[in-house]
Amino acid sequence: NAGVTQTPKFQVLKTGQSMTLQCAQDMNHEYMSWYRQDPGMGLRLIHYSVGAGITDQGEVPNGYNVSRSTTEDFPLRLLSAAPSQTSVYFCASRDGTRAEAFFGQGTRLTVV
Amino acid sequence: GQNIDQPTEMTATEGAIVQINCTYQTSGFNGLFWYQQHAGEAPTFLSYNVLDGLEEKGRFSSFLSRSKGYSYLLLKELQMKDSASYLCAVRVGTDSWGKLQFGAGTQVVVTP
Repeated sequence: NAGVTQTPKFQVLKTGQSMTLQCAQDMNHEYMSWYRQDPGMGLRLIHYSVGAGITDQGEVPNGYNVSRSTTEDFPLRLLSAAPSQTSVYFCASRDGTRAEAFFGQGTRLTVV
Repeated sequence: GQNIDQPTEMTATEGAIVQINCTYQTSGFNGLFWYQQHAGEAPTFLSYNVLDGLEEKGRFSSFLSRSKGYSYLLLKELQMKDSASYLCAVRVGTDSWGKLQFGAGTQVVVTP
């Protein structure tokens, strides 16, 4: 049971480039979410989904897009990378019967 | 909006007890979580309180007072491996999913 898998683990982008951060879970969880973590700040919610075909914005959605075509996958797209998007990104999932969220290992993104 | 406050750093000796306080001001409170995060790793779930009182799980205990907007995480018999950041998170929202709002984390340093 792999849990929540994020790829890549590290990425360097140039300003203006686009890319997709991948997130997959094999626990059949309905709820999935993306957070970014910056020094001195808590994890901040970017986007979340409560099931296939359903997504919504979190606290800091600007510059990011998501889609949820299957229960397992929840990719995060950066449309035009900016240095302010340099951060560590975490994907998380949980189901409706348990309170705890399971986090992926994170993607460390640097935009230069 | 949401406001979650916890101390930035605490230092304690191996074998001692440390109490990490968390205060919050939120609307739509629907549970409080504590996560542990070692440097460079993903957050992992420690505890969950939705009703007032103390939840004990081995060396870790968590307390909640909803009327005071206050929680603490108690770590007993500290071990070197407990050196990590401890994240307080509040779930808000009236639906069954809610959204997690995180504090900035408390870095606990355990010394020999």
